[in-house]
Amino acid sequence: EAGVVQSPRYKIIEKKQPVAFWCNPISGHNTLYWYLQNLGQGPELLIRYENEEAVDDSQLPKDRFSAERLKGVDSTLKIQPAELGDSAVYLCASSVAGANTGELFFGEGSRLTVL
Amino acid sequence: QQQVKQSPQSLIVQKGGISIINCAYENTAFDYFPWYQQFPGKGPALLIAIRPDVSEKKEGRFTISFNKSAKQFSLHIMDSQPGDSATYFCAASMTYKLSFGAGTTVTVRA
Repeated sequence: EAGVVQSPRYKIIEKKQPVAFWCNPISGHNTLYWYLQNLGQGPELLIRYENEEAVDDSQLPKDRFSAERLKGVDSTLKIQPAELGDSAVYLCASSVAGANTGELFFGEGSRLTVL
Repeated sequence: QQQVKQSPQSLIVQKGGISIINCAYENTAFDYFPWYQQFPGKGPALLIAIRPDVSEKKEGRFTISFNKSAKQFSLHIMDSQPGDSATYFCAASMTYKLSFGAGTTVTVRA
């Protein structure tokens, strides 16, 4: 069974440029998460989707970050414009809806470097 | 504000030794406590988890000890192997929100 797939794995951009990350969750997983992981720290939740509905986006910086999950499967996270402090790993995770809330399956992440 | 405090930040253990990582939390509404293992360049992967009504859970060489009254829990890695070298995150979950500790980097020397 394929795991959570993310792309690109690495992205280097100049500050003020836009960037987008894509995530394909495990088949059948209705819940999708985007996490931010700074170097040497634990992941922090940005947004959680149940199917196509964003049910928790309280930690998403909405002035520059946006996300969508059309058709309740793949998801895209966008940053526009990027700032130096956005350099981090962006992790996508998925889980079965209604499953134990701590059992998440993570992708390998997209590492963003803003110059 | 970090809801789960984890220590130590890093540790080095000899092959065959025991690694111990400690975590503490404040919010008694947390109802599930997983541990995740992360290798460089990979995403975190669920290792073992426990509910607060259980004091200990063992899976192979990995054991979680849970002290509900002290609001503390710990991971013990017995007979540590070089392949266990990774970063370990404790976490606490409530209402679909998973809060992670800052992580402990474990290095197992052969």
